[in-house]
Amino acid sequence: AQSVSQHNHHVILSEAASLELGCNYSYGGTVNLFWYVQYPGQHLQLLLKYFSGDPLVKGIKGFEAEFIKSKFSFNLRKPSVQWSDTAEYFCAVTMNYGGSQGNLIFGKGTKLSVKP
Amino acid sequence: DTGVSQDPRHKITKRGQNVTFRCDPISEHNRLYWYRQTLGQGPEFLTYFQNEAQLEKSRLLSDRFSAERPKGSFSTLEIQRTEQGDSAMYLCASSRTTGADYGYTFGSGTRLTVV
Repeated sequence: AQSVSQHNHHVILSEAASLELGCNYSYGGTVNLFWYVQYPGQHLQLLLKYFSGDPLVKGIKGFEAEFIKSKFSFNLRKPSVQWSDTAEYFCAVTMNYGGSQGNLIFGKGTKLSVKP
Repeated sequence: DTGVSQDPRHKITKRGQNVTFRCDPISEHNRLYWYRQTLGQGPEFLTYFQNEAQLEKSRLLSDRFSAERPKGSFSTLEIQRTEQGDSAMYLCASSRTTGADYGYTFGSGTRLTVV
C-alpha cells in the first residue's frame, strides 16, 4: 500500500537553528505533495504544496521544500527557526491515477519544539 | 468566514450511543473528505464525496459509520453504537477538482470522547 514516512518523531531546536524535516513516499507514479502545520490547539494549515514545475517550492513563514523524484522525497526546510514555529508538521501526498487526484495520505507527523 | 466549518467542536458521549457530526465545506468546492486523527498520528482517510456521490470508503470505516452529502453541499458523519476506540478528532476537508492547481482546506475538527 502507498505510504508516507516522516523520519523524525520529535525534533528539538534552539531559535535560529536550521531545520530540515524528512518525508518519503512510496509510489512510482505522479504525485502531488504537501506540508501541513498544526499549531497547538489549532487546525491543519497548508504550508506549501508541489504540483509540477520547479521542484523547489517556497511556502509561507519562510518554509521551503524540495521534491527529489529519484529519492521519492519532499523534505521541508527553514534556515532559521523561531519559537513560534513550535508545532506539529505533517507531510502528505496524493497519488494520481489516470489524471485523477487520489486521496490525501498523511505521514505520522513530526513534532517540532523550538527553545527560546 | 469562508473556510470549512465543523459542528460540534467537542462531543462527549457514553459508549453505545449514536453521534452525528456536520461539515460545511467551502461553497465552490465539489469534493468533501472525512479524516480521523488520534493522538500522535497523522490524519487517516475515512471517506470522500464528489458532489453528492460517495466515491471511496476506507476499510477503517466500519459498518457503524455512515456518511452522507445529500445535496452536494454539507455532509454528516454518523457513528452508531460508539465504542471507546472511536475517541478521536474527526476532520473534514474540502477541495476543488477543476483548475490546474488545487489543495485541501481543513476544518477545525470535532473532538469525540467516548466514556
